[in-house]
Amino acid sequence: AQSVAQPEDQVNVAEGNPLTVKCTYSVSGNPYLFWYVQYPNRGLQFLLKYITGDNLVKGSYGFEAEFNKSQTSFHLKKPSALVSDSALYFCAVRDQRNFNKFYFGSGTKLNVKP
Amino acid sequence: EAGVAQSPRYKIIEKRQSVAFWCNPISGHATLYWYQQILGQGPKLLIQFQNNGVVDDSQLPKDRFSAERLKGVDSTLKIQPAKLEDSAVYLCASSLDPTESYEQYFGPGTRLTVT
Repeated sequence: AQSVAQPEDQVNVAEGNPLTVKCTYSVSGNPYLFWYVQYPNRGLQFLLKYITGDNLVKGSYGFEAEFNKSQTSFHLKKPSALVSDSALYFCAVRDQRNFNKFYFGSGTKLNVKP
Repeated sequence: EAGVAQSPRYKIIEKRQSVAFWCNPISGHATLYWYQQILGQGPKLLIQFQNNGVVDDSQLPKDRFSAERLKGVDSTLKIQPAKLEDSAVYLCASSLDPTESYEQYFGPGTRLTVT
């Protein structure tokens, strides 16, 4: 079965430090992977995606993600965190063999302290 | 480009009442999705439309939930009768083409509270 796991409910980091939000996946076939961010009382906003090609994907607001096929991971990263990055982050995988359905992880709350 | 529009933003009803949510996707987006997001969880797909046809409704509780997209543009999701466990945020999303690598664009959601 297709699934996404975000092992950390919450990540705390100081402003200016690098951040990593972890995601592992399970999917049949080639993975289409996505990261979304959700601010309070807002819908999800697309950050970046991996379809094929380079394992390091760059996205919006300085975020990037590293695809690792052997570890089935797609961790979200940013070299220098901002207080305004504090939000809820969701990893998702698209199942190409099942109507391209999206499966979302449970989310990781990122807290960036000044 | 206008985003995905949803209304109402908030709704409070009593159990056993009915409620309807409306969604207008981004112009030109053929695929429309309704998700249920319970507090502390990721979004769960309820139903997916391709134009005005249903592609997947395997997780839609069909005894009480219904959805339609009659003209292949905007869509409504209805709950009748509502239960306490239906309290959640209902998100609508759209994408250009589900067969390609396109991402989904989400509306702001409707927060439903069932008392």
